[in-house]
Amino acid sequence: NAGVMQNPRHLVRRRGQEARLRCSPMKGHSHVYWYRQLPEEGLKFMVYLQKENIIDESGMPKERFSAEFPKEGPSILRIQQVVRGDSAAYFCASSPGADRYGYTFGSGTRLTVV
Amino acid sequence: KNEVEQSPQNLTAQEGEFITINCSYSVGISALHWLQQHPGGGIVSLFMLSSGKKKHGRLIATINIQEKHSSLHITASHPRDSAVYICAVRWSAGGTSYGKLTFGQGTILTVHP
Repeated sequence: NAGVMQNPRHLVRRRGQEARLRCSPMKGHSHVYWYRQLPEEGLKFMVYLQKENIIDESGMPKERFSAEFPKEGPSILRIQQVVRGDSAAYFCASSPGADRYGYTFGSGTRLTVV
Repeated sequence: KNEVEQSPQNLTAQEGEFITINCSYSVGISALHWLQQHPGGGIVSLFMLSSGKKKHGRLIATINIQEKHSSLHITASHPRDSAVYICAVRWSAGGTSYGKLTFGQGTILTVHP
């Protein structure tokens, strides 16, 4: 039973390009969370999704960022027209439910915008 | 404002020492997590607590719900314990906020041989 799989591990994009980050939750987990860790800063919540639904996107920047978790396939965090300030580690976590359950984190995607 | 505070921010120890990292939070929670992150590495969940105490190997985590405080202890510390330790809370159920975690700033632990 593989853990939470994130890919790519490292992603380099030029300013203005699009970045797509993928997260496959653990088998049986239907809740996915995305967190961002800016350089020298702590982890911050971005978005919480269940299959085909966005439950809480209060941590997502208003523009250029979007997330989805389709019925089939991984969850995708999409960043359009990336800027240098988007450079960070993006972590995905999954759980089987919203409360009383632990999380399993992925290894993260390190995005560098040049 | 819902906040999580950790102390100390940096901690240096000699191999074999007993280590304590503290976490305080501002309002009621449904669960508290202790996480470990190695430099450039992923995040590993060490403990999830809602009350009392848990032990795994040389690691012990305690929580006092009334005082809104948790501690992570490492007994007989080893250089391989060097990492960032992060406290995170899930606030008490209510609306859509109950699923996500709010994190402390982390404690950088360095254990010297």
